[in-house]
Amino acid sequence: QVQLQESGPGLVKPSQTLSLTCTVSGGSISSGAYYWTWIRQHPGKGLEWIGHFYYTGSTYYNPSLQSRVTISADTSKNQFSLKLSAVTAADTAVYYCASRNLGTDSFDYWGPGTLLTVSS
Amino acid sequence: DIQMTQSPSSLSASVGDRVTITCRASQSISTYLNWYQQKPGKAPKLLIYASSSLQSGVPSRFSGRGSGTDFTLTISSLQPEDFATYYCQQSFSTLWTFGQGTRVEIK
Repeated sequence: QVQLQESGPGLVKPSQTLSLTCTVSGGSISSGAYYWTWIRQHPGKGLEWIGHFYYTGSTYYNPSLQSRVTISADTSKNQFSLKLSAVTAADTAVYYCASRNLGTDSFDYWGPGTLLTVSS
Repeated sequence: DIQMTQSPSSLSASVGDRVTITCRASQSISTYLNWYQQKPGKAPKLLIYASSSLQSGVPSRFSGRGSGTDFTLTISSLQPEDFATYYCQQSFSTLWTFGQGTRVEIK
């Protein structure tokens, strides 16, 4: 069973770049079975898909964030990462990494989430 | 973007009740519709994929149906552990979007 765990700084200053890492266990990010995905949830709000990485190196981002987002992977560590530049208070959210199963086209495994606060 | 609208936004129900949540898409999405359950402070959990397929390990009291633009999630007999927020999500377009959530509370 795939397990995911987010890690990150918890607090970022406005205008800086947010960096989060997701460590995957129980499965390989080099497997073609999943898109490795970031999703966020603003406090008390719904869920927003940010983007994903596929083992071929291809990425796809939410157009509303595309100019600020980069998702990449380190296959040697079985990790994938999110970078979001020029953050503002509106980027304060719980960030989840998840696996999108190509067979069911659903997000079947999720990390527990990490709260990222943007504040000076 | 495909907009997903859930109703109601919240509901109160008792243990043993039959509960139905509705999700409507702003355009036809065939059966590319998934349902998730989220408890406070936890990540969402996949319940149903492809409108009506039960995810492995999910109790059979959960069921989903629908196609096109209108979908439902039904809990046949509400259990104490089912009090949570439920989200629908479409996977028809390459911009995956979620409904705003339906909170199921204890009456």
